[in-house]
Amino acid sequence: ELKVEQNPLFLSMQEGKNYTIYCNYSTTSDRLYWYRQDPGKSLESLFVLLSNGAVKQEGRLMASLDTKARLSTLHITAAVHDLSATYFCAVDPTFTSGTYKYIFGTGTRLKVLA
Amino acid sequence: GAGVSQSPRYKVAKRGQDVALRCDPISGHVSLFWYQQALGQGPEFLTYFQNEAQLDKSGLPSDRFFAERPEGSVSTLKIQRTQQEDSAVYLCASSPRRSGVGEKLFFGSGTQLSVL
Repeated sequence: ELKVEQNPLFLSMQEGKNYTIYCNYSTTSDRLYWYRQDPGKSLESLFVLLSNGAVKQEGRLMASLDTKARLSTLHITAAVHDLSATYFCAVDPTFTSGTYKYIFGTGTRLKVLA
Repeated sequence: GAGVSQSPRYKVAKRGQDVALRCDPISGHVSLFWYQQALGQGPEFLTYFQNEAQLDKSGLPSDRFFAERPEGSVSTLKIQRTQQEDSAVYLCASSPRRSGVGEKLFFGSGTQLSVL
């Protein structure tokens, strides 16, 4: 069964600091997604990573994918308060897996302190 | 509308009641997913439709849960004889093509179900 694990689960950081969130998954996939969820709101897509070595950047966030290590990272540079949210990674199935599920990680709740 | 629409936004049910949750995906989207999100947790897969065909219902927790998408657009998730453990946010998501081709999901705002 495909499992997706994130760490840390909770992250409190000062404005201006850098940090990385990790996403590990348990089966072969070269498609990895990052979503953001604000409290009481739905999920918003941040990044789509579709191959080994893929790197995407948007503002202070940068995501990367290492399919051999089954690991994705979300790096935060010079954090600002507006980045406070819960971040989820998700993995979708391969064609041959026999399933259609997008499996989500446990989430990382980020709080940026002023 | 431009996004995925879900209704009602909030639903309070007495234990044992039946409920129906509606999802209106983005027009033309082939794939439709239902997820259940408990407080402080990630979304858990319930079921997947490709057009009107329900191709995966392995995440439905019991036979009290039933989903349909009869014309390949609007979908309804029905929960019969609700129990307290059914309390959660139910999220609907759609994407333009079939699952497995590397597309992000577009999520609705969810229906928060509280079973008393």
